Amino acid sequence: DQQVKQNSPSLSVQEGRISILNCDYTNSMFDYFLWYKKYPAEGPTFLISISSIKDKNEDGRFTVFLNKSAKHLSLHIVPSQPGDSAVYFCAAYNQGGKLIFGQGTELSVKP
Amino acid sequence: EPEVTQTPSHQVTQMGQEVILRCVPISNHLYFYWYRQILGQKVEFLVSFYNNEISEKSEIFDDQFSVERPDGSNFTLKIRSTKLEDSAMYFCASSETRTGPWGYTFGSGTRLTVV
Repeated sequence: DQQVKQNSPSLSVQEGRISILNCDYTNSMFDYFLWYKKYPAEGPTFLISISSIKDKNEDGRFTVFLNKSAKHLSLHIVPSQPGDSAVYFCAAYNQGGKLIFGQGTELSVKP
Repeated sequence: EPEVTQTPSHQVTQMGQEVILRCVPISNHLYFYWYRQILGQKVEFLVSFYNNEISEKSEIFDDQFSVERPDGSNFTLKIRSTKLEDSAMYFCASSETRTGPWGYTFGSGTRLTVV
């Protein structure tokens, strides 16, 4: 039962351009959506979140957009930097309060 | 910045042996979790723990698994009789609230290799 899905396993972007990572979900009861970043051999690190009552949240180079009618969220990184190369996971809380993760998208930012 | 600490960073064990993975969550956090990631796959929930008891567990978390908070600081995951398919990265996490905009804080993981 994949309630949170990331359909692109990988994305390659040129340094300085925009990276757009996408995520779809099935459960309209989710109250927060989160993005985590993960480097190899490290744990996931919280990046940015959005409440289900908002449609946009911005933090520096990172912006998350939420489209509730389409049950879709996206993470925009602009400008992308080589240090942004990592695996990005979207996540949401189920009704029990547990975080459910998507499969991840590996972002590669090329100099 | 406060962090979640996991030990050991890498554990190799023989099939059938017991292993204990250790975690020190952030001190003022009340909710504790174990997740795992098999190489190349998604991060999967194993168990959540609050108020000294399991709040929720996944179907992966069978009778071979147990968790304990033996004192005020440690949170452990025990696998009684390891199988080859238990080989994975195991992540401990903690949070101050059940849900919210800040998510969980994860440790850097223990790589478990069962041979």
